[in-house]
Amino acid sequence: DTGVSQDPRHKITKRGQNVTFRCDPISEHNRLYWYRQTLGQGPEFLTYFQNEAQLEKSRLLSDRFSAERPKGSFSTLEIQRTEQGDSAMYLCASSLADREAFFGQGTRLTVV
Amino acid sequence: QKEVEQNSGPLSVPEGAIASLNCTYSDRGSQSFFWYRQYSGKSPELIMSIYSNGDKEDGRFTAQLNKASQYVSLLIRDSQPSDSATYLCALNFGNEKLTFGTGTRLTIIP
Repeated sequence: DTGVSQDPRHKITKRGQNVTFRCDPISEHNRLYWYRQTLGQGPEFLTYFQNEAQLEKSRLLSDRFSAERPKGSFSTLEIQRTEQGDSAMYLCASSLADREAFFGQGTRLTVV
Repeated sequence: QKEVEQNSGPLSVPEGAIASLNCTYSDRGSQSFFWYRQYSGKSPELIMSIYSNGDKEDGRFTAQLNKASQYVSLLIRDSQPSDSATYLCALNFGNEKLTFGTGTRLTIIP
């Protein structure tokens, strides 16, 4: 399967702990997006990369959040000192420029 | 603030009828338009893309784009219970991020 892959699928963590999620995009795609989605809402933009450059970050992305895409391949999203409000589905998508974006299966984070 | 707006629903349609989903947007420079289907607890799945004015058909789905009126719609013909899901409209406002609406929840009634 050459689709977008996210790991882990589920993560339960205690408040205050750090978590890191990984996203492997479709290999020829140069854009990679991170979104967050809570129940009943559409996906909220967090950040996106074109190749290895992080082109935009949402104001939602506090100092506790950081994302990287070394060498323009896979990406990681780290949340430091997690809070209960961070509980959500974290979605990764990739695309070729502004063409169709395809999502991974998501990482469901629960902060207890 | 560039925005994408959808009626949150729920929209109930009898099985076999046509479901019509609408989306309006705020920026005339938008270039790329997408419809995603999302089942409860799952990630969004791309079902249609449209880049120019007019209609685009794919099986039971038709996307319609009117840039002058700034709306894009999705028609689902011969609706099936398996079409029950939330439908998300998404736009690329030029060389920027993909922006989503809040989604319309569609229920097909057998």
